[in-house]
Amino acid sequence: EPEVTQTPSHQVTQMGQEVILRCVPISNHLYFYWYRQILGQKVEFLVSFYNNEISEKSEIFDDQFSVERPDGSNFTLKIRSTKLEDSAMYFCASSDPVTNTEAFFGQGTRLTVV
Amino acid sequence: DAKTTQPPSMDCAEGRAANLPCNHSTISGNEYVYWYRQIHSQGPQYIIHGLKNNETNEMASLIITEDRKSSTLILPHATLRDTAVYYCIVGMEYGNKLVFGAGTILRVKS
Repeated sequence: EPEVTQTPSHQVTQMGQEVILRCVPISNHLYFYWYRQILGQKVEFLVSFYNNEISEKSEIFDDQFSVERPDGSNFTLKIRSTKLEDSAMYFCASSDPVTNTEAFFGQGTRLTVV
Repeated sequence: DAKTTQPPSMDCAEGRAANLPCNHSTISGNEYVYWYRQIHSQGPQYIIHGLKNNETNEMASLIITEDRKSSTLILPHATLRDTAVYYCIVGMEYGNKLVFGAGTILRVKS
């Protein structure tokens, strides 16, 4: 069964550093998403991406964040100048409106900012 | 800003049906009801979705009331592996964000 793959599974970074979280969505999917979940809290939408551009973003997704689909297969989330409060699980998801409408989620990257 | 209301937790005996309720009284005519679950801290997993008719797949059944203001997810024979947080979400069908609430913690007990 096809799946969304995220790397790394766990990333530890120093406060103020930049991190890039990587995702390989399911190959024929057209919509891509990033969500985050701070420990013990709800899953929160960050951004959706379609046709090589951001289609929607939340208030959380400020200038510190950016997304990119650099090579037609990877989908990345860049967090600049990380803060302690950026520590969370980050989930990538993808969906294909042609064959189905559900979103498939990856297993997440646990980001720890120290 | 979740548009659904779910009980915070439920228990279910292994092998019995688990019935998880959800209220979505402000659902609009073109919004679907989606159910996802999250086992421990894994990525959310799609279960089922529907517009107004009852739906069934290999995982579960979804019963939507005629006025569409509430629904019930039914896991027909719950197992220990079904212990998870279950999220009821309303939204458009294609390419739209999912707004997660707190969900219902379902504990399946032997």
